[in-house]
Amino acid sequence: GAGVSQSPSNKVTEKGKDVELRCDPISGHTALYWYRQSLGQGLEFLIYFQGNSAPDKSGLPSDRFSAERTGGSVSTLTIQRTQQEDSAVYLCASSYGGGQTQETQYFGPGTRLLVL
Amino acid sequence: ILNVEQSPQSLHVQEGDSTNFTCSFPSSNFYALHWYRWETAKSPEALFVMTLNGDEKKKGRISATLNTKEGYSYLYIKGSQPEDSATYLCAFGSFQKLVFGTGTRLLVSP
Repeated sequence: GAGVSQSPSNKVTEKGKDVELRCDPISGHTALYWYRQSLGQGLEFLIYFQGNSAPDKSGLPSDRFSAERTGGSVSTLTIQRTQQEDSAVYLCASSYGGGQTQETQYFGPGTRLLVL
Repeated sequence: ILNVEQSPQSLHVQEGDSTNFTCSFPSSNFYALHWYRWETAKSPEALFVMTLNGDEKKKGRISATLNTKEGYSYLYIKGSQPEDSATYLCAFGSFQKLVFGTGTRLLVSP
């Protein structure tokens, strides 16, 4: 079956512009996660959705970052007024059930964002 | 702040060599430890989810062990092949999120 998909695969933008990153989770997966990997860093948690609600937004680095999920499916991560430090690979993952820590999270291929 | 550490940072072996990596994590409030393989330009691929102290998991030539009391997990690759070249990530399950180490980058030369 289809895995997690993300678009765009690559995005180059200018400092100060807004960007939207999209994630399509595996059909039927209720939990959805966003992570990012900055250069030289490990994967860093950003936000977790259960259905359309986000019970944990603790990893969003600033109020320039927001995310939403609609229909219990597609999610969009929006970064406003991008800064160079936002350059990273943004990964989305989904899991089947209630977001339990022993559930396997299935990752998409990521969006590589470069802010000039 | 949870700290997950992996060693070595990178490893270069010859085809046929066996190798192992270490993941260290907090020994308190343990729920789960995940291993992933991440090849360049691909999605991270789940290898194992380990939950019990003493767990051993195996998938082909790759195996992993878990010691939750001392806070470490080992990943072993027997008879490395060039297609095993990737970054291997471990992640500590904390509530609904995963806390990742920075990974071990493995390069297997023919």
